[in-house]
Amino acid sequence: ETGVTQTPRHLVMGMTNKKSLKCEQHLGHNAMYWYKQSAKKPLELMFVYNFKEQTENNSVPSRFSPECPNSSHLFLHLHTLQPEDSALYLCASSQTGEGDAFFGQGTRLTVV
Amino acid sequence: QKEVEQNSGPLSVPEGAIASLNCTYSDRGSQSFFWYRQYSGKSPELIMFIYSNGDKEDGRFTAQLNKASQYVSLLIRDSQPSDSATYLCAVNYNTDKLIFGTGTRLQVFP
Repeated sequence: ETGVTQTPRHLVMGMTNKKSLKCEQHLGHNAMYWYKQSAKKPLELMFVYNFKEQTENNSVPSRFSPECPNSSHLFLHLHTLQPEDSALYLCASSQTGEGDAFFGQGTRLTVV
Repeated sequence: QKEVEQNSGPLSVPEGAIASLNCTYSDRGSQSFFWYRQYSGKSPELIMFIYSNGDKEDGRFTAQLNKASQYVSLLIRDSQPSDSATYLCAVNYNTDKLIFGTGTRLQVFP
């Protein structure tokens, strides 16, 4: 298994749908992250979990709901999204205290 | 608002030349600094990190940090077409939070 795995790789959803993004890391790291990458914008940090506890919620709208059942898995639950939420959603993990991050391949989300 | 600034480019260099990528950051309390490479359609991958003032070399890559000027750079020696990618500068403000710049697109032409 590669270090950080995200599923699905591509997702198209309507504004009334509910879907979930999944991330799994096999690196033994203690911290996991959700980032959003839109065209012409820097990577935006959305959520941070350290030892399964959420330590950061970067003013993300409530239509995005994270879940971290254990230190290896991270979910992003999506509901009633807007077209401007279309972006690449990247999951990452790191060993707490070291700051570097290993990224998954991302989920390309399109909201129609 | 903590910020990380990069010139979006593209920066075009001929094969074999030195590519110089620059980044400035706003918070003097920043602890550590990272360079990521992102190929088109792929996710970012870590290529260098630096914590102390001065230079750090790893193969063809050299990271340079000047905390007084709040400036970090990445030099790529003997640039190859395979180095063509977007290079993201990232700054660590706390132990678990990375702030990214918009990235600089590098094009190395044969």
